[in-house]
Amino acid sequence: GAGVSQTPSNKVTEKGKYVELRCDPISGHTALYWYRQSLGQGPEFLIYFQGTGAADDSGLPNDRFFAVRPEGSVSTLKIQRTERGDSAVYLCASSLNGAGGLNNEQFFGPGTRLTVL
Amino acid sequence: QKEVEQDPGPLSVPEGAIVSLNCTYSNSAFQYFMWYRQYSRKGPELLMYTYSSGNKEDGRFTAQVDKSSKYISLFIRDSQPSDSATYLCAMSGSGGSNYKLTFGKGTLLTVNP
Repeated sequence: GAGVSQTPSNKVTEKGKYVELRCDPISGHTALYWYRQSLGQGPEFLIYFQGTGAADDSGLPNDRFFAVRPEGSVSTLKIQRTERGDSAVYLCASSLNGAGGLNNEQFFGPGTRLTVL
Repeated sequence: QKEVEQDPGPLSVPEGAIVSLNCTYSNSAFQYFMWYRQYSRKGPELLMYTYSSGNKEDGRFTAQVDKSSKYISLFIRDSQPSDSATYLCAMSGSGGSNYKLTFGKGTLLTVNP
């Protein structure tokens, strides 16, 4: 079956612009996560959705970052007034539910590589 | 100090070598320990998943967790060129926040034919 897909694969924008990054999770997965991976670093947690609601947004760096999942499937990460420091790969993952543990693997998409000039 | 420390390498070995990768951590609440493999321009994929202390073996891969030392390892036997990738350790706590993965920086491994 299809895995997690993310669009676009690459996004180049100018400082100050607004961007939207999209994630399509695995069908039937109720939990969805966003991570950010800067160059030479491991992924860092941004936000976790259980269904339509953001259950934990503690990793969002500031109020320029916002994410939605209105129908409990596709999610969009929105970044306002982009800064050069926002340049990174934004990874989306989904799991069957948000319970964690041994039987609730997070499956990652290929990421969106965001470059802010 | 970061919660999870991992030597970024790079590590270069000949084909057939035994590879040892490791991470240390400081948060004693971590209960679940994972190793992910990430190929260039791809998302991480889960290799091994263990709970608490102990060993787990899966084919050529062995994961070890020593909670008393806050130290985890991944061993790759008979390494192959296709094993060339970045290896990320990841951890999570128990209870309500066990969905939140904390990753190491990743170790870049190259297996030379």
